[in-house]
Amino acid sequence: AQTVTQSQPEMSVQEAETVTLSCTYDTSESDYYLFWYKQPPSRQMILVIRQEAYKQQNATENRFSVNFQKAAKSFSLKISDSQLGDAAMYFCAYRDYNTDKLIFGTGTRLQVFP
Amino acid sequence: KAGVTQTPRYLIKTRGQQVTLSCSPISGHRSVSWYQQTPGQGLQFLFEYFSETQRNKGNFPGRFSGRQFSNSRSEMNVSTLELGDSALYLCASSSAGLAGVSEQFFGPGTRLTVL
Repeated sequence: AQTVTQSQPEMSVQEAETVTLSCTYDTSESDYYLFWYKQPPSRQMILVIRQEAYKQQNATENRFSVNFQKAAKSFSLKISDSQLGDAAMYFCAYRDYNTDKLIFGTGTRLQVFP
Repeated sequence: KAGVTQTPRYLIKTRGQQVTLSCSPISGHRSVSWYQQTPGQGLQFLFEYFSETQRNKGNFPGRFSGRQFSNSRSEMNVSTLELGDSALYLCASSSAGLAGVSEQFFGPGTRLTVL
């Protein structure tokens, strides 16, 4: 069965600095998707960034980028120029190729200090 | 486009009762998934529906059931409620077909408290 592990329950960063959140996963599949979701205190979960496993190029969305290491089954999220609004729970998630079922990690609470 | 809506937003029930939660997906979305979020267990997948058919099911007891209607709206039902069923129940919809990546949009959730 697929699993997702986030080993950092909490992280903190100062405004304008860079922070990296870690995620590892386990799967025997070769085709799958990986996601980072953000859940602010208001609880509405939103997609931050996604990565297709068949793509070697790391995904980037503005200040958010990932380091995808398929062989190591690692998928970290880098947030550059951190802003106060980035404070939230961040969940790493795995999805098989032909399903919408998401398997989530336990989450990392990110605090941003001015 | 209106987002995913879930009703009710808050619910208080007592042990042994049953509850029905509703989810209306984004217009045009045919896939609806349900998740349970608790402090102890995190986010756990309940089930996924696509075009009125259950496509995937998580490891939850049979007290948890769901269905999807022809307009893609979905309901989940929990019978014989237990204290441990207290959680935030999240619904997500996507335009997924049989394969391919498609973004899942989450609703605000229904906070269920079992007393």
